[in-house]
Amino acid sequence: EAGVTQFPSHSVIEKGQTVTLRCDPISGHDNLYWYRRVMGKEIKFLLHFVKESKQDESGMPNNRFLAERTGGTYSTLKVQPAELEDSGVYFCASSQVEGDPYNEQFFGPGTRLTVL
Amino acid sequence: DQQVKQNSPSLSVQEGRISILNCDYTNSMFDYFLWYKKYPAEGPTFLISISSIKDKNEDGRFTVFLNKSAKHLSLHIVPSQPGDSAVYFCAAKGTYKYIFGTGTRLKVLA
Repeated sequence: EAGVTQFPSHSVIEKGQTVTLRCDPISGHDNLYWYRRVMGKEIKFLLHFVKESKQDESGMPNNRFLAERTGGTYSTLKVQPAELEDSGVYFCASSQVEGDPYNEQFFGPGTRLTVL
Repeated sequence: DQQVKQNSPSLSVQEGRISILNCDYTNSMFDYFLWYKKYPAEGPTFLISISSIKDKNEDGRFTVFLNKSAKHLSLHIVPSQPGDSAVYFCAAKGTYKYIFGTGTRLKVLA
């Protein structure tokens, strides 16, 4: 079974540009999460989808960040316009069953974003 | 304000000895805790978890201890192996999301 995949693995952009990160969760997983780790700090929650609906977006830093999960499969996270402080590693995770918060979350390898 | 704290950024241990990684939390409402391991250029992978109704959970070489009164948990690895060298993250479960600490980099010396 394929794990969580993320694309691209690395992205280097200039301040003010737009970047879109993609996450493909494990097939059949209803829950999809985005997290971010800024260098040396904690892995911080951004938002949670249940199927195509945003369940919790309390961790989104500001309105420059837009996440979508059309059709309840893959998800995209767009940063527009990117700022220097957006640099970090963006992780996507998925877990299986809607309504069971104790399901283990499986993480993707992350996208390293560098904003110059 | 960080709700989950790992105050040791790094730890070095000799192969075969015990590794003890510590984690403190502030919110007494947390009822489920996890440890994840992360190798470079990979995502975190689940290692072991513990519910607040227990004070110990064991899985092979890995044991997690929970002290609710002190709001403290620890991960013990015995015996430590070079392949255990990684960054270890402690996490508490919110409603659905995980609240992570900053991680401890463990280096097991051969």
